[in-house]
Amino acid sequence: QVQLQESGPGLVKPSQNLSLTCTVSGGSISSVGYYWSWIRQHPGKGLEYIAYMSSSGSTYYNPSLKTRVAISVDTSENQFSLKLTSVTAADTAVYYCAGLQGSGNFHWFDPWGQGTLVTVSS
Amino acid sequence: DIQMTQSPSSLSASVGDRVTITCRASQRISNYLNWYQQKPGKAPKLLIYAASSVQSGVPSRFTGSGSGTEFTLTISSLQPEDFATYYCQQCYSTSITFGGGTKVDIK
Repeated sequence: QVQLQESGPGLVKPSQNLSLTCTVSGGSISSVGYYWSWIRQHPGKGLEYIAYMSSSGSTYYNPSLKTRVAISVDTSENQFSLKLTSVTAADTAVYYCAGLQGSGNFHWFDPWGQGTLVTVSS
Repeated sequence: DIQMTQSPSSLSASVGDRVTITCRASQRISNYLNWYQQKPGKAPKLLIYAASSVQSGVPSRFTGSGSGTEFTLTISSLQPEDFATYYCQQCYSTSITFGGGTKVDIK
C-alpha cells in the first residue's frame, strides 16, 4: 500500500521560503493515479488544503495561497514537493502530504503522511 | 469557495451513546462529501467518502448520510477509541474545503 513521508526544515525564518518534500513508497508516483496533495493545519485549528497536482502536471491551488505556492512532482525520485514563499508567522502549521484519490468527480484524501510541524520564527 | 459548517463544534458523550454530527454546505454539493477522524498528534483518517460509503476497515458503527447541502455522520454506539475530532470535506469544487471540525470528548 502507498505510504507517504514528509521531510523538510522544522524552522523557517520570516520572509524566507518554506520547502517540503513528500516521499512516496509502496507505489510509483506516476502510475498510482492519485493527485499529490499538501494540506496544513494551524495549531489547534482545522484543515486547509494548499495544493494538489497530478503526475501529468495538472495543478490546483488554494486561491488564498495561490500567489505564494508551487507544487511539483519528481517522478525519478518518487517524490513531490511544496514551496511556499515569503512566509510569516501565520504559516506556522503542521503540513501534511496526502494522496487525493477517487473515481469520476469523487475525490478523497487517503493516504496521509504523518505530518511535519513547521514553525516560522526568527 | 464553498463554505462547510459543522455543528456542534464540540460535544461530550459517554461510551455507548449514539452521536450525530452535522455538516452543512453553503451551496448544493450533491453527495461530494467525505468525513475524517483525527486523533491528537495524528494525521486525519478517512472514514466515509461520497457521503455514505464506508472506507474499508472502518467499523460499521460509523455511517454517513445526506445530499445537497446537509450531511450527517452518525456513530451508533460510541467506543473509547472514537473520542477524536471529526471533519467533513467537500470535493464538489476543485477548490476543496473542510468543515471546522467537531471534537467529541468524554462526558
